[in-house]
Amino acid sequence: GAVVSQHPSWVICKSGTSVKIECRSLDFQATTMFWYRQFPKQSLMLMATSNEGSKATYEQGVEKDKFLINHASLTLSTLTVTSAHPEDSSFYICSARWQSNQPQHFGDGTRLSIL
Amino acid sequence: QQQVKQSPQSLIVQKGGISIINCAYENTAFDYFPWYQQFPGKGPALLIAIRPDVSEKKEGRFTISFNKSAKQFSLHIMDSQPGDSATYFCAATDSWGKLQFGAGTQVVVTP
Repeated sequence: GAVVSQHPSWVICKSGTSVKIECRSLDFQATTMFWYRQFPKQSLMLMATSNEGSKATYEQGVEKDKFLINHASLTLSTLTVTSAHPEDSSFYICSARWQSNQPQHFGDGTRLSIL
Repeated sequence: QQQVKQSPQSLIVQKGGISIINCAYENTAFDYFPWYQQFPGKGPALLIAIRPDVSEKKEGRFTISFNKSAKQFSLHIMDSQPGDSATYFCAATDSWGKLQFGAGTQVVVTP
């Protein structure tokens, strides 16, 4: 149980394009989803928290106009990297949880490469 | 600023040996302490977790020891296997329900 699916797993695109990453909870309803960024050999850095039906809450230093997050249903959240540039290249990982006292379950990440 | 401090950064252990990873925290409001295992190119997977009212939790070869007064907790991997080679992250949940991760420990189990 508690499976989180992330799609795509890998994307390469040209600088200036926008990229959308999907995060789905397959066997539970996720009232809260989180988006993280991870650089090689580093820890996970929380970018934003999204609650279903509400605007996402962004961590300090994360540009909300750059990283658009939508959590329109209890099983789907999307992260759109707008006008992506090479410095946005990273490993993006989502997580989901059912309730606040439940653990977060992670997707398998999306490797984003901007040329 | 890392709210959860994790050590060592890397660890090499022989097959059958014990891997020990330590974490420390300052925020007494943390109320949930999970450990995650991450393989290259994959997302972290929940391994085992503990709440501060328990001093030890064991699941198979994995044991968490928790010292509330010292604000420290550790992961012990008994009878380490090559398949355990991965990066391990300790974490703590704050009052907002957000996970604060440690820096990670790369564990290599040699045959």
